[in-house]
Order: sequence, then C-alpha cells, then structure tokens
Amino acid sequence: DTAVSQTPKYLVTQMGNDKSIKCEQNLGHDTMYWYKQDSKKFLKIMFSYNNKELIINETVPNRFSPKSPDKAHLNLHINSLELGDSAVYFCASSQEPGSLSEQYFGPGTRLTVT
Amino acid sequence: SQKIEQNSEALNIQEGKTATLTCNYTNYSPAYLQWYRQDPGRGPVFLLLIRENEKEKRKERLKVTFDTTLKQSLFHITASQPADSATYLCALAGMRFGAGTRLTVKP
Repeated sequence: DTAVSQTPKYLVTQMGNDKSIKCEQNLGHDTMYWYKQDSKKFLKIMFSYNNKELIINETVPNRFSPKSPDKAHLNLHINSLELGDSAVYFCASSQEPGSLSEQYFGPGTRLTVT
Repeated sequence: SQKIEQNSEALNIQEGKTATLTCNYTNYSPAYLQWYRQDPGRGPVFLLLIRENEKEKRKERLKVTFDTTLKQSLFHITASQPADSATYLCALAGMRFGAGTRLTVKP
C-alpha cells in the first residue's frame, strides 16, 4: 500500500491554464504539506494543514490554493499557470506538526508549463 | 536572514570509505534537526532525527552529530556502498530544507 500518493505524476500544460494536483495519505496522520522543488533541487515549504486547518502559508502567490476536504487529502489548485511554476511538487504528511515528526513524502508531481 | 547550507553540492568517495556531509545554519535555533535521503525521481525519505540535547545519534552505518554552538550538524555514512549514492538533505524546524549534497560512492 502506498503511504502518500499523488496524482498525476506528470503534468504538462500551457501558460494561463488552471490545474490541480491531488494528494492522499493512508497513514492516519493529522498534518499534511505541499513542497515545491525547483530545478536546483531546493525543496521549499509552501503550505501545511493540521486537521484540515491551514497552519502554514509561506510566501506563495495567491494563484496557489490548497484545499483539505478531510485529514487524508490535501489538494493543490493552481490558477493562471506561469513558466516559473514548472517544478516538482511534493506532498508529505506527518503525525503532528513540528520538527519532531518525521515526514513521509509522496512520489512527486512534475509540472511543466510551456 | 535564515540560511541552511550544506557543504557541497556533490561529494564523490570510494566504496568502503566514510562519507561526511555537513549542514550549517544561521539565524535559527532549532530544537531538532532531521536528515533525509532523496533518490532521483523520488520523494525524500526520513533517516534520522537528532535533538539539541543529543550530541550524537546512530542508526546502523549512519551517525549524526549536532553542535548548537557551532550551528552545525555532521552526517556520516561509514563503510559506504554504491547503494548509498543519493542526495542527502538536512531539515530544520521540520520544514526548512537545505539544498542537499549529492553523494556518489564509486565501486
């Protein structure tokens, strides 16, 4: 069983489009995250949810909107896609927020904006 | 501003040697520090967590040290194997990651 899954794995789209990435975890964790890993492999936190509540919102354009319908799911919707949005997006989960909990990462979604 | 720096982008060593990776940070006071491994095309995988009151933590061939005075963590892999080749990331405050060091172990 996959602990943290993401769909789709690859996403190629044109500038200006709107797209969504879905994430699901079956670990029973309370906290979920979205990260962006750019071409230089730098992994940067975007959002974190705990029990469906947004607890971390880094300096991310408001074109990015996370949604957590329940504790096991955290989706990422991106409006008006730009070239600079091209990256690998990782979803992760942990038992609780904070640095004591190890995070479990999904396989990533490679987004390419043309 | 807060910074997390990992000593080098890439490190090449011979099989059987000890690999030592460095994570330095500024303007942080983390109570914990984590190390992750990332293989190409995959998400990071948790390896070890060390608390500020722990000087050293071991797990099999892995050893992590944490010096809050120097603001530095060292990550060691002893008796390295080609299968240890990957990118290793340090993380502070659970979510602040360094850029990683790509380790290549040559047979």
